[in-house]
Amino acid sequence: AQSVAQPEDQVNVAEGNPLTVKCTYSVSGNPYLFWYVQYPNRGLQFLLKYITGDNLVKGSYGFEAEFNKSQTSFHLKKPSALVSDSALYFCAVRDTGNTGKLIFGQGTTLQVKP
Amino acid sequence: DGGITQSPKYLFRKEGQNVTLSCEQNLNHDAMYWYRQDPGQGLRLIYYSQIVNDFQKGDIAEGYSVSREKKESFPLTVTSAQKNPTAFYLCASSMGRSNTGELFFGEGSRLTVL
Repeated sequence: AQSVAQPEDQVNVAEGNPLTVKCTYSVSGNPYLFWYVQYPNRGLQFLLKYITGDNLVKGSYGFEAEFNKSQTSFHLKKPSALVSDSALYFCAVRDTGNTGKLIFGQGTTLQVKP
Repeated sequence: DGGITQSPKYLFRKEGQNVTLSCEQNLNHDAMYWYRQDPGQGLRLIYYSQIVNDFQKGDIAEGYSVSREKKESFPLTVTSAQKNPTAFYLCASSMGRSNTGELFFGEGSRLTVL
């Protein structure tokens, strides 16, 4: 079965420090991977995706993610965190059954402190 | 601007009552989805539709119903058979099964059962 795991419920970083939010996946075949961000009582906003090609994907708001096939990981990164980055982050993998639906991890709360 | 509109933003319901959540998109997307979000559980798929007049159950369809009479509309009815309906409901759309791209989300509807 396809699945996504985000092993950390919460990540705390100081403003200006680099941040990493972890994601691992389990899927047969080539994965299509996504990161979304959610602010309180709002919908999900798309950050970036990996379909094929370069393992380092750049996205919105200075975020990037590194696809690692051997470790089945797709960690979200940012070189210098901002307080405004504090939010809930979701990793997702596209269903391989050609339905277009996404399977989400349980989410990781990022807290950036001044 | 193109996007997805969900209404109402907040909804209160008494036990035993059915309630319908609206979802409208003007992105000309073929596929639409309903997810339920509970704290610490990520997003779980309720129903999805890849084309007008057709829809499929997701992982937690019991106690819910949908219709897809128009391309731009995908309303969700939470019936009295849903045991624990209090949650945040998110509607999304995408270009469809052949698309490798992301889902676009509405701002969500928060349902509280009193």
